[in-house]
Amino acid sequence: SQQGEEDPQALSIQEGENATMNCSYKTSINNLQWYRQNSGRGLVHLILIRSNEREKHSGRLRVTLDTSKKSSSLLITASRAADTASYFCATGKNTGGFKTIFGAGTRLFVKA
Amino acid sequence: DTEVTQTPKHLVMGMTNKKSLKCEQHMGHRAMYWYKQKAKKPPELMFVYSYEKLSINESVPSRFSPECPNSSLLNLHLHALQPEDSALYLCASSAPGLAGGWNQETQYFGPGTRLLVL
Repeated sequence: SQQGEEDPQALSIQEGENATMNCSYKTSINNLQWYRQNSGRGLVHLILIRSNEREKHSGRLRVTLDTSKKSSSLLITASRAADTASYFCATGKNTGGFKTIFGAGTRLFVKA
Repeated sequence: DTEVTQTPKHLVMGMTNKKSLKCEQHMGHRAMYWYKQKAKKPPELMFVYSYEKLSINESVPSRFSPECPNSSLLNLHLHALQPEDSALYLCASSAPGLAGGWNQETQYFGPGTRLLVL
């Protein structure tokens, strides 16, 4: 079963606005990662946050992690049309090989 | 070189065919993964290889047969597939952690093979 659930399922914003996506998960994790996927192609890793971290920044991206609530959020500031893509959270757990489970994803559409 | 390559990009096969998907990386990663992704759905883990040994099989039907001939190469052999197996098949790789474990490592994905089973 899927570990991460995301909301919203779809988000449409204007260029320059901020986009916030949320992810919730069910069991303990080692880390949580966010990936972007354009048009059904390969996934691109955006940012990884460890279970002992609460916030992380990378360029226009800000990720928070609340392990007590089993949730994470991804904020994209000053969005651009090129940010249009599907965004997935993925939780990782070491089970003798590294098992990554992806959430359902948020489809972001940024209008120019 | 941070690239994972996959061939072919597209594949159409009949239900009686045998075909193989290929994945290659030259980043020195010792974990490699196969995922299946249906349209508008997240990737679903199929197999994980760690140091060329199969470590995770997510109860995948035997018509999918993975193979890891060496640390750079991962194959997925397909036989007697069903139309519902049509999907995007993604390969990924990652490095072991500092202590040799598998915690907290980024996966690098290939562009995928889009498979259509007729």
